[in-house]
Amino acid sequence: GESVGLHLPTLSVQEGDNSIINCAYSNSASDYFIWYKQESGKGPQFIIDIRSNMDKRQGQRVTVLLNKTVKHLSLQIAATQPGDSAVYFCAESPGDTGNQFYFGTGTSLTVIP
Amino acid sequence: EAGVTQFPSHSVIEKGQTVTLRCDPISGHDNLYWYRRVMGKEIKFLLHFVKESKQDESGMPNNRFLAERTGGTYSTLKVQPAELEDSGVYFCASSRRRGTTEAFFGQGTRLTVV
Repeated sequence: GESVGLHLPTLSVQEGDNSIINCAYSNSASDYFIWYKQESGKGPQFIIDIRSNMDKRQGQRVTVLLNKTVKHLSLQIAATQPGDSAVYFCAESPGDTGNQFYFGTGTSLTVIP
Repeated sequence: EAGVTQFPSHSVIEKGQTVTLRCDPISGHDNLYWYRRVMGKEIKFLLHFVKESKQDESGMPNNRFLAERTGGTYSTLKVQPAELEDSGVYFCASSRRRGTTEAFFGQGTRLTVV
């Protein structure tokens, strides 16, 4: 079965610092790897994805890195802001089975002002 | 455009009772998904509709769970009879096309079975 896990359940960073959230996965056949952010009282919200044939993708203040050798995924947030405080989920998707995402347990990021 | 909406936001029921959760997807989104997060654990897939048809219900825990999407619009997820282990947050998500990684999630229904 699928197994997507996170190294740390909680992470605290100072405002303005960079954040790195890590994730390990087990299914080498996954086509996409995705990061979702869940703020308190809201549902998960898409942040960024990366296809399995890439090793890096950048968005606005976020960068996702994929290391297929060690089955590791990370999300880097530059200049972390209080609004970044949330639970971050990594997920993997086979890509062609209609969005059956396999989520990890989530990392709670707290930004300290 | 309105997002995915779920009703109710919270529900507390006794073991053995029935609860029905509702999800209104974004208009025009044929794909509708149900997920569940049991406290502290991962978000787990329950099932996927394409319009009114169940595309994949491999994640449904057991036959106490029944999902419907009559007319291909809103969907309901009924739990009957509810057990303590059914407690968790139930999320609904929708997307316009299959294969996209960007699904739009509702705020979730927090179900507590006591």
